[in-house]
Order: sequence, then C-alpha cells, then structure tokens
Amino acid sequence: AQSVTQPDARVTVSEGASLQLRCKYSSSVTPYLFWYVQYPRQGLQLLLKYYSGDPVVQGVNGFEAEFSKSNSSFHLRKASVHWSDSAVYFCAPNTGYQNFYFGKGTSLTVIP
Amino acid sequence: NAGVIQTPRHKVTGKGQEATLWCEPISGHSAVFWYRQTIVQGLEFLTYFRNQAPIDDSGMPKERFSAQMPNQSHSTLKIQSTQPQDSAVYLCASSPRDRSYAEQFFGPGTRLTVL
Repeated sequence: AQSVTQPDARVTVSEGASLQLRCKYSSSVTPYLFWYVQYPRQGLQLLLKYYSGDPVVQGVNGFEAEFSKSNSSFHLRKASVHWSDSAVYFCAPNTGYQNFYFGKGTSLTVIP
Repeated sequence: NAGVIQTPRHKVTGKGQEATLWCEPISGHSAVFWYRQTIVQGLEFLTYFRNQAPIDDSGMPKERFSAQMPNQSHSTLKIQSTQPQDSAVYLCASSPRDRSYAEQFFGPGTRLTVL
C-alpha cells in the first residue's frame, strides 16, 4: 500500500521569500509524482509532474520540485513567492493502475 | 476548451432530501473521476468511469451514494437521504487516460451543504 505525508498543514511566508513544501511518500515502487495547486473556490490544477530522468523538474509559475529516491521525497520549491501563490498545494504520488491518492495538502499564505 | 464543468456550484439541501450533482468532462477524455473534499478528511476518491463504464467505486459510501455516466458528455453523482456529514465540496475530474501517469483536470467543484 502506498501513502503520502505532507507534514506542514499550514505555511506562512513573506512575499519575495523562498519556499519549500515537503512531501514524503511510502511505496514499494517508485511512483509517478505530481504537485497540484488549488486556488480559492477552484478545482485542482497541475503544477508539475515527475516520471523519470532528471530529478529536478520545472513547473508553471516558477515552481520546481526535486525527487529523491533515497529519501522517498518530492519537495516543491520556489525561489521567490508572490502573494498570488497563496493557495493549497497537494502532493500526489501514484503507482499502479489508478491515480487516486492525494496528500492532505499544505495551505500556503504569502504575506505582502 | 471550457474545461470540466460542474453544476450547480452550490447546493443547499435539508436533511433527508436528495441531491444530484452534475459533471461535464472535457471533450475527448475517456476517464471521469469523482472526489469529496473536506477540511478533516482532505481529498477522498469516490468513484471513476472509463469510456462511460463504471470501473471502481471503492470510495463510495454504499448505501446512499450512486454515480452514473449515461453518455460521454456528462456524469452525475446522486446522494439520497442527505445527512449533515455529507456536507463537502464534490470535485469531478477528467483525464485523457485512467493511468497513474496521466494528469487529471478538475472542475471547480460543487459545494453541498446539508442543513
């Protein structure tokens, strides 16, 4: 069975600061890895995804994530956050046939 | 491309009433998923369809929830005898493939409030 942990339920940072949102998964095989973002009153949108190859993947709006097989992690980063990045971020590692698993989410608040 | 459309955006029902939620997936997508989102439980998988056929409903509460996809352009989630604990945001997503490597495209959700 697989599982995913986003240890930080809420994160608050100042505009312009760097950001890291953590995601750790448990799986017997290397999963496909996704980060989704949910803005207020909207559905989830894909930020980025990792299948294989270079462990650092680039996404939209300056986000990137780094896969670490040894640590079973897929942390999301951004060098300089903007107030519009305030949203809930979901990590979704998935193996096998279906894509049903999402973390609990990390709510990001960016203070202007 | 209008994206995934969900109607209504908000629905308020009284305890014991029926609620029907509608989803129009992106044209050409073969897989349709339903999720329930609450603060406490987060995002929970309910059920999904592939090419209109029900494939997995393992997340559906058995007694009062049902989902259908009568044609490729819409799916419905029906909740009978709604209870306050059914209050949640119900999200529909579609995907060009029902595989773990395929991105899902989400609708804005229907917020159901059961009084």
